[in-house]
Amino acid sequence: EDQVTQSPEALRLQEGESSSLNCSYTVSGLRGLFWYRQDPGKGPEFLFTLYSAGEEKEKERLKATLTKKESFLHITAPKPEDSATYLCAVLNDYKLSFGAGTTVTVRA
Amino acid sequence: IAGITQAPTSQILAAGRRMTLRCTQDMRHNAMYWYRQDLGLGLRLIHYSNTAGTTGKGEVPDGYSVSRANTDDFPLTLASAVPSQTSVYFCASAVRQGLEAFFGQGTRLTVV
Repeated sequence: EDQVTQSPEALRLQEGESSSLNCSYTVSGLRGLFWYRQDPGKGPEFLFTLYSAGEEKEKERLKATLTKKESFLHITAPKPEDSATYLCAVLNDYKLSFGAGTTVTVRA
Repeated sequence: IAGITQAPTSQILAAGRRMTLRCTQDMRHNAMYWYRQDLGLGLRLIHYSNTAGTTGKGEVPDGYSVSRANTDDFPLTLASAVPSQTSVYFCASAVRQGLEAFFGQGTRLTVV
């Protein structure tokens, strides 16, 4: 059975304090790993797709990396507007399996 | 820009009642999905459809049914609601199965 574990569950950062979120997975035949951002009361918003170990994607202050067993979402010099829950999901065959998410709070 | 529209936004439903959650997309995406999100459990797939006319079961399909009569619409029906179906339901779509999915705003359902 596919498993996706995200850590930490919650992360409180000071504005400008860089950090990383972890997504570890076990899946038979990874076809892709996805990162989403979710704001309270809203649906998840797509950020990145990673397909193979060593791949990296960047968007503004966010950078996602992938190894054979885990993915990291690096937040560089975060701002309060980066506060959200970040979800990762792995694609295996027909479905996405989501982790429970990391809730990031950035204080000004 | 509409994207994915879900209705209703929220609903309180008596146990045993039948309820259909509506989902419409205007992006001509082939794949559509229904997820439920519960605190601490993350998003779990209920049903999916890779193309109009076909559907499949996800990891938590019991008590739910779907249909995909055309490309745009993917309704989710609870035949006889139970309190354990209290959740936030998200509809999503993708150009095709395996690509990134785009989510609606969700329906918050409370079964009492």
